[in-house]
Amino acid sequence: AQSVTQPDIHITVSEGASLELRCNYSYGATPYLFWYVQSPGQGLQLLLKYFSGDTLVQGIKGFEAEFKRSQSSFNLRKPSVHWSDAAEYFCAVGAYSSASKIIFGSGTRLSIRP
Amino acid sequence: KAGVTQTPRYLIKTRGQQVTLSCSPISGHRSVSWYQQTPGQGLQFLFEYFSETQRNKGNFPGRFSGRQFSNSRSEMNVSTLELGDSALYLCASSLQGLAGVSGEQYFGPGTRLTVT
Repeated sequence: AQSVTQPDIHITVSEGASLELRCNYSYGATPYLFWYVQSPGQGLQLLLKYFSGDTLVQGIKGFEAEFKRSQSSFNLRKPSVHWSDAAEYFCAVGAYSSASKIIFGSGTRLSIRP
Repeated sequence: KAGVTQTPRYLIKTRGQQVTLSCSPISGHRSVSWYQQTPGQGLQFLFEYFSETQRNKGNFPGRFSGRQFSNSRSEMNVSTLELGDSALYLCASSLQGLAGVSGEQYFGPGTRLTVT
């Protein structure tokens, strides 16, 4: 069965510092992987997605993620965070079969220190 | 292009009542998925509708049901509300749905349901 683990519940980084949010997945075949961001009172916005090909994926708002099959990871990175990046981030894995659905991780809340 | 809209945004109901939530997808999108978000369980998939047919279903009791209309608008119904049904209910639309190649979903702002 598919599963997604985001080991960090809450992370605080200083504005301008680099960021890495961890995501580990469990899936028997090559997964389809996503990162979403949710600001307070808002729905989810897709940051980036990985289906196949280049394992380093560029997304919106300066985010990128790297798919590492050997480590079953899909970590999200940003070289320099801005105060507006404070939000909840969700990693998700999809399986495209007749019973397809997307499984979300529990989320990582990001706070930015001025 | 207008985004996904959900109505109402906030709702307070009493245990035992029923509720209907509405979702209007992005124009041209034929798939609508529903999710329940709670602090304890996180984001959980409820069901997906595509061209008026339920295509996928999560692990929720039969009290949770939905439907989709010919214009792709979708409604979700919860009957005999329980305290544990208090949650943010999110709707997401996509062109081809979760079985499509891209699978990219666009989420609405959600409906915050409080059951007292």
